[in-house]
Amino acid sequence: AQSVTQLGSHVSVSEGALVLLRCNYSSSVPPYLFWYVQYPNQGLQLLLKYTTGATLVKGINGFEAEFKKSETSFHLTKPSAHMSDAAEYFCAVSGVYGGSQGNLIFGKGTKLSVKP
Amino acid sequence: GAGVSQSPRYKVAKRGQDVALRCDPISGHVSLFWYQQALGQGPEFLTYFQNEAQLDKSGLPSDRFFAERPEGSVSTLKIQRTQQEDSAVYLCASSQRQLSSYEQYFGPGTRLTVT
Repeated sequence: AQSVTQLGSHVSVSEGALVLLRCNYSSSVPPYLFWYVQYPNQGLQLLLKYTTGATLVKGINGFEAEFKKSETSFHLTKPSAHMSDAAEYFCAVSGVYGGSQGNLIFGKGTKLSVKP
Repeated sequence: GAGVSQSPRYKVAKRGQDVALRCDPISGHVSLFWYQQALGQGPEFLTYFQNEAQLDKSGLPSDRFFAERPEGSVSTLKIQRTQQEDSAVYLCASSQRQLSSYEQYFGPGTRLTVT
């Protein structure tokens, strides 16, 4: 079975500081990995995804993540936090590899706060 | 074009009532997913459609939950005899293709409160 663990339910950073949100996964097959962001009262929006190829993935709003197979990790980073980055972030792994179904298995989420 | 839309956005139901939640996916999207998001948790998979076919309903918590997508576009999630533990945000997502690597586009969700 596949699972996702996000370390830290709340992370607080100062504006301009590095953002690091941690995600570890468990999968018996090569995973597809995703980071989604959720603003209050809105649906989830895809930040970035890893499927195959380059392990460093760049996404929207200056975010990036690196797939590290040896560490089973897919941590999300941003060099300089902005007030508008305050939201909840979810790491997810695809339920079926290469198959016809792609239901996502989510972590519990990390709420990011940005202090001025 | 328009994104995924869901209605109603908020629903309050008395325990024991039936509710129906609607999802309008992005036009032409083959795959449609329903997720349940409890307070403070990540979304959890409920069911999956490929066009009009319901290929997986393994995540439905009980036989009180029923979903359909009769014409391969709009989908309805129905909950019969609602209970307090059904209170959650119900998210719908659609995807252009039926492959795991494709992005899922999420609607804003329906927040169900059972009193």
